[in-house]
Amino acid sequence: DGGITQSPKYLFRKEGQNVTLSCEQNLNHDAMYWYRQDPGQGLRLIYYSQIVNDFQKGDIAEGYSVSREKKESFPLTVTSAQKNPTAFYLCASSIQGGYTFGSGTRLTVV
Amino acid sequence: AQSVAQPEDQVNVAEGNPLTVKCTYSVSGNPYLFWYVQYPNRGLQFLLKYITGDNLVKGSYGFEAEFNKSQTSFHLKKPSALVSDSALYFCAVRDIGSNYQLIWGAGTKLIIKP
Repeated sequence: DGGITQSPKYLFRKEGQNVTLSCEQNLNHDAMYWYRQDPGQGLRLIYYSQIVNDFQKGDIAEGYSVSREKKESFPLTVTSAQKNPTAFYLCASSIQGGYTFGSGTRLTVV
Repeated sequence: AQSVAQPEDQVNVAEGNPLTVKCTYSVSGNPYLFWYVQYPNRGLQFLLKYITGDNLVKGSYGFEAEFNKSQTSFHLKKPSALVSDSALYFCAVRDIGSNYQLIWGAGTKLIIKP
């Protein structure tokens, strides 16, 4: 089955630590996105990529970094510069406006 | 600037009653409109979309949405609500200026009471 896979489902980060969230898709979609969702809130765009080896900052990119070395993969690194990283992170891919979402990663700072 | 608004943070409906979740939009040109649903601790799932054609669009799980160009609205509806419909619903519009990227509403929490 085609789809988009995020891992891990739950992630715990210590203060000052970088962590990387994985996002893999086998849908052959060109565009991929990372969103942050806080409790009871909507989606805020962190980064997006419309083609391999290219990506753009979204609305809340500070403290995050991404790479897009392969079409299938769009990992997100939450750096120590992100002061309030506890949130639910969603990855999506799209083709012509139709989005497919992963199941999300819940990141908690301990 | 293109935008989408969901004026209600929360909608409460009794099971078996009809439900409506509201969405209004602002775009230049013809709108491409979407509804997604999110269950707790899950990603968003596609419900339905309007691109062109019939103003009443049917989607998954018995949901439908009515496109109204004069009122710039795209309200989500269901004739008879189920408790299992309780979830967070997002309306979105395609941003014609950024290569199919979607602009998202803030979401509406739908609570169906038995």
